Amino acid sequence: EFVLTQSPATLSLSLGESATLSCRASERIGNNLAWYQQKPGQAPTLLVYGASSRATGIPPRFSGSGSGTEFTLTIHSLQSEDFAVYFCHQNNYRPRTFGQGTKVDLK
Amino acid sequence: QGLLVQSGPELKKPGDSVRVSCKASQYTSSDAGISWVRQAPGQVFEWIAWIRPQTGVTQYEAKVQGRVTLTWDRSTATVYMDLKSLTSDDTAVYYCAIDSEQPLHSWGQGTLVTVSS
Repeated sequence: EFVLTQSPATLSLSLGESATLSCRASERIGNNLAWYQQKPGQAPTLLVYGASSRATGIPPRFSGSGSGTEFTLTIHSLQSEDFAVYFCHQNNYRPRTFGQGTKVDLK
Repeated sequence: QGLLVQSGPELKKPGDSVRVSCKASQYTSSDAGISWVRQAPGQVFEWIAWIRPQTGVTQYEAKVQGRVTLTWDRSTATVYMDLKSLTSDDTAVYYCAIDSEQPLHSWGQGTLVTVSS
């Protein structure tokens, strides 16, 4: 079974710090990985697709990297609105699958 | 690009069927599809189905294959998701989202479907 594993489960950081989130795929998926942000009670927002392309309207402090099985989302200089849950998603294999999420909270 | 508006929450009994709608205002992209994703309480998101409105072609995840049907009403620009033979495992928030080169780039607000006796 294809699995996406995110780490860490929780990241406690201060305003202005950088966050590094990891997503590991159990099989190679090329660059077919996207990252989303979800705030409580809201639908997710696409941040990055194709592993490293920022979605429309997403600020440059969000950046994605990686290919194959190892992927990273970096958030530079955390703003108050960035504290949320982030999850990855692969659309290389069916069924399309999601990571379990990383919560970024305020230290 | 489009704005997706979903129907309201549903409370169903085991064995019932449910229909959730997703109205796509300003939907004009002939290449885009619309996916349905659900999130059960405390669980990971699960992709369950996809439709390309322009052609009516659908794809269903094996876990719900045979129980789920997506249809597109061109006159109202609305996608309908019908899910039958509900069990408590189907309790989740169901989302529709536009799928294109940018996967799941615009989401509906979500519809809570609760299955309980």
